[in-house]
Amino acid sequence: DIQMTQSPSSLSASVGDRVTITCQASQDINNFLNWYQQKPGKAPKLLIYDASNLETGVPSRFSGSGSGTDFTFTINYLLPEDIATYYCQLYDDLISFGGGTRVEIQ
Amino acid sequence: QITLKESGPTLVKPTQTLTLTCTFSGFSFNTSGVGVGWIRQPPGRALEWLAVKYWNDDRRYSPSLRSRLSITKDTSKNQVVLTMSNMDPVDTATYYCAHIPPGSGDAFDIWGQGTMVTVSS
Repeated sequence: DIQMTQSPSSLSASVGDRVTITCQASQDINNFLNWYQQKPGKAPKLLIYDASNLETGVPSRFSGSGSGTDFTFTINYLLPEDIATYYCQLYDDLISFGGGTRVEIQ
Repeated sequence: QITLKESGPTLVKPTQTLTLTCTFSGFSFNTSGVGVGWIRQPPGRALEWLAVKYWNDDRRYSPSLRSRLSITKDTSKNQVVLTMSNMDPVDTATYYCAHIPPGSGDAFDIWGQGTMVTVSS
């Protein structure tokens, strides 16, 4: 089974900061990686699919990159409404979620 | 507009079998590439993928839970049903179903609101 390592588990940043979250797969997964945002008490929301494609309606300050085993998710200008937990999700033969990154405002 | 809604018991006893139903609208399982997955989230913890059913009747399960899970679809009722046997208090979680659009790989683009299941005697 392919394992996902997501880091950091939490971070604190200021409004306007650039925030970066990484996910590393234990094997090459091409670009088969998605990113989600989850706010407390809500279902997750798809932000990025296939590593770098922005889901329709998602603000352009969110972006994703990477291929193979190493992937990065970036919020280019952190806003208060971006406070949430972010998850990566790989798909290969099976599906797996990363452990999540809790993003807080300093 | 695609919507999904989970339904089932809110409380089950240890060793019982849980049956959850995902009722959806706005898409058809006859569409090539479509899928529906189940994901759960224990309180305060991370998302955990459980199972997925595809339009072509293929199904996949989490390796760690495969022996306890079964996923089926009823195309005429627009439903996907997940059963999980031998429930334990550690299975207490919010259970979500979610839509996989054609051509997306396995991205869950639309989610249900989730249903909280507590396992307790």
